[in-house]
Amino acid sequence: DSGVTQTPKHLITATGQRVTLRCSPRSGDLSVYWYQQSLDQGLQFLIQYYNGEERAKGNILERFSAQQFPDLHSELNLSSLELGDSALYFCASSVQEQETQYFGPGTRLLVL
Amino acid sequence: AQSVTQLGSHVSVSEGALVLLRCNYSSSVPPYLFWYVQYPNQGLQLLLKYTSAATLVKGINGFEAEFKKSETSFHLTKPSAHMRDAAEYFCAVSVRAGGTSYGKLTFGQGTILTVHP
Repeated sequence: DSGVTQTPKHLITATGQRVTLRCSPRSGDLSVYWYQQSLDQGLQFLIQYYNGEERAKGNILERFSAQQFPDLHSELNLSSLELGDSALYFCASSVQEQETQYFGPGTRLLVL
Repeated sequence: AQSVTQLGSHVSVSEGALVLLRCNYSSSVPPYLFWYVQYPNQGLQLLLKYTSAATLVKGINGFEAEFKKSETSFHLTKPSAHMRDAAEYFCAVSVRAGGTSYGKLTFGQGTILTVHP
C-alpha cells in the first residue's frame, strides 16, 4: 500500500458524460501528478500540482481539467467523454517536486 | 525533452534464470531514472531509482540496475527469477532540478515478464 488513495476504483459511463476522479496523496506530500494508461498510448503524464498550484501540463486534452484543494487532495475532471478516453487513470504523489513518486491503485474508466 | 525506450515488449525466462530487462533513455540534461513494476490490476510500485549517486542501484525483491552514461542505458537485472516476479515493468526518466518538467515521469512502453516453472 503506497498510501495514495484513489476513488472510485471503477467507473462505467456513456459517451458525452462528465466524471470526476479523486486522489488523496500520502500524508505530507505536496505534489500530485496525474497519469493516463491506455493500450495504445501507454503511460502518459497529464498534469501536476504542487501545493495547490498547477506546475506542469503534459498530453492533457482541453476536455480534461484538474485541481488541487487546500487539503491537498486532487480531482481530475473529464468531460464530453469519448470511447477513446477509456483507460486507467493513476494519481501519484511526492513530498516535493523532483522527489520519488508513489502511485495510487488507479481508477479504471470505461466509456460505452 | 526526454524519452525512454524499452527493448522487448515481452521477455520470458525460466524460474531461476537471469532476468535482464533493457532500458535506454534520452535526455538533454542529467536524468533521474526509475524502474516501476505493475502487477495485474494494481498500481505502480517503485523497484529502484538512480539519482546521481552510485551507478549500481539496488532495489527491492533482489533487483538491481546499472546506470551507464556512455551507453545511455539503465538495464534492470535479477540473478534468479521467481514466479512472483511475473509482472509488467516500466522504466521511467525525469529531469533533475532546474528543468521545467517539475519531476514529471516519462515512461517506456513497458516489458511484460513471464516466468516459466
